[in-house]
Amino acid sequence: DAGVIQSPRHEVTEMGQEVTLRCKPISGHDYLFWYRQTMMRGLELLIYFNNNVPIDDSGMPEDRFSAKMPNASFSTLKIQPSEPRDSAVYFCASSLKGVGNYGYTFGSGTRLTVV
Amino acid sequence: GEDVEQSLFLSVREGDSSVINCTYTDSSSTYLYWYKQEPGAGLQLLTYIFSNMDMKQDQRLTVLLNKKDKHLSLRIADTQTGDSAIYFCAESSRSNDYKLSFGAGTTVTVRA
Repeated sequence: DAGVIQSPRHEVTEMGQEVTLRCKPISGHDYLFWYRQTMMRGLELLIYFNNNVPIDDSGMPEDRFSAKMPNASFSTLKIQPSEPRDSAVYFCASSLKGVGNYGYTFGSGTRLTVV
Repeated sequence: GEDVEQSLFLSVREGDSSVINCTYTDSSSTYLYWYKQEPGAGLQLLTYIFSNMDMKQDQRLTVLLNKKDKHLSLRIADTQTGDSAIYFCAESSRSNDYKLSFGAGTTVTVRA
């Protein structure tokens, strides 16, 4: 398996533009997580899905953020409109519930810069 | 995460042992993990320990768990420059739907 695949690796956009981050989880994993990492706040869980259904989105900072998982192999995190304070590294991770010894498998992340 | 705490920085000389400490609050934690993040990369699972174990050894890595004190440590023997990274402690429990709670990460710097 190629692991969790995120795209793009880097994104630079202007304030006010829409940004879409993409994630392909590991085949067979039934949980998908979106995290944001910044120097100031560390790793923050934004939202997670189980079997494509959003379970907890309490970490989504504002209504400008939305996430979807239309099928088991694809998820998007959208920011509209983007702001400079959204600049961070966004990670997607997937896991198999109940198999605790595997933990999560993380993607390589998308580094977002909003100017 | 507020439920998992670890020191922020550790500096160690090449060839020495590194010990990274972590404390957690959830007494029902089932699994505890150590992740490694190298610059510009995602988090990589290094090792894990089940809560009914006291110790786990995997080559240069030794994990110690003191369940009574809710204390977890990671020892890296013969630390190399490639071990320079951020190390995250994390825990999960069935009561929390197996979501991982991460610490803030310990930045380990290996000096020659």
